Amino acid sequence: ETGVTQSPTHLIKTRGQQVTLRCSSQSGHNTVSWYQQALGQGPQFIFQYYREEENGRGNFPPRFSGLQFPNYSSELNVNALELDDSALYLCASGEGGARSGYGYTFGSGTRLTVV
Amino acid sequence: DAKTTQPNSMESNEEEPVHLPCNHSTISGTDYIHWYRQLPSQGPEYVIHGLTSNVNNRMASLAIAEDRKSSTLILHRATLRDAAVYYCIRGLGAGSYQLTFGKGTKLSVIP
Repeated sequence: ETGVTQSPTHLIKTRGQQVTLRCSSQSGHNTVSWYQQALGQGPQFIFQYYREEENGRGNFPPRFSGLQFPNYSSELNVNALELDDSALYLCASGEGGARSGYGYTFGSGTRLTVV
Repeated sequence: DAKTTQPNSMESNEEEPVHLPCNHSTISGTDYIHWYRQLPSQGPEYVIHGLTSNVNNRMASLAIAEDRKSSTLILHRATLRDAAVYYCIRGLGAGSYQLTFGKGTKLSVIP
């Protein structure tokens, strides 16, 4: 059991640029969710993918988009970066649609700084 | 809207029990109560969940009030490694897939 791994661990981008963050799900998990965590706040749900389709989305604009691949790994893409996008981005994987709320395994996150 | 209320911070002495409260007065009959914790520089970690009955696992116990409007996470013997932010999460409702985190309770453990 390798857990959830995210890359890169840290990233600095300039306002207006685009960024791609990557996540490898825990073995056996077919659901992946992405969260944004601002400093001092709890994580905020961005969206979730189940078997390569988006099946839930939080209150984030369309410039936040994602993909899930056949091996259940995932990408988070953010276009037209804004200063407020600076945050810790967390990936979580789970089983079978993971609607129950338990059994999510989180990665350690990618710290994105927009300057 | 996290729909749960927790104290901002709590302190405990090492090796003593810790009771972390959570208020969820608007909970519906089918909403589970989940607890996650986040250690410094890490992602959240699942702790425990329950619906109506008290629950125990290797990490903690969850005591749910009879009216389900509040619950308490119990760490039986706090260790330094238990210092973290603890999140009480209500959900998930039908058709909802997300975990709605509030600000949680920051637990400090004093040696």
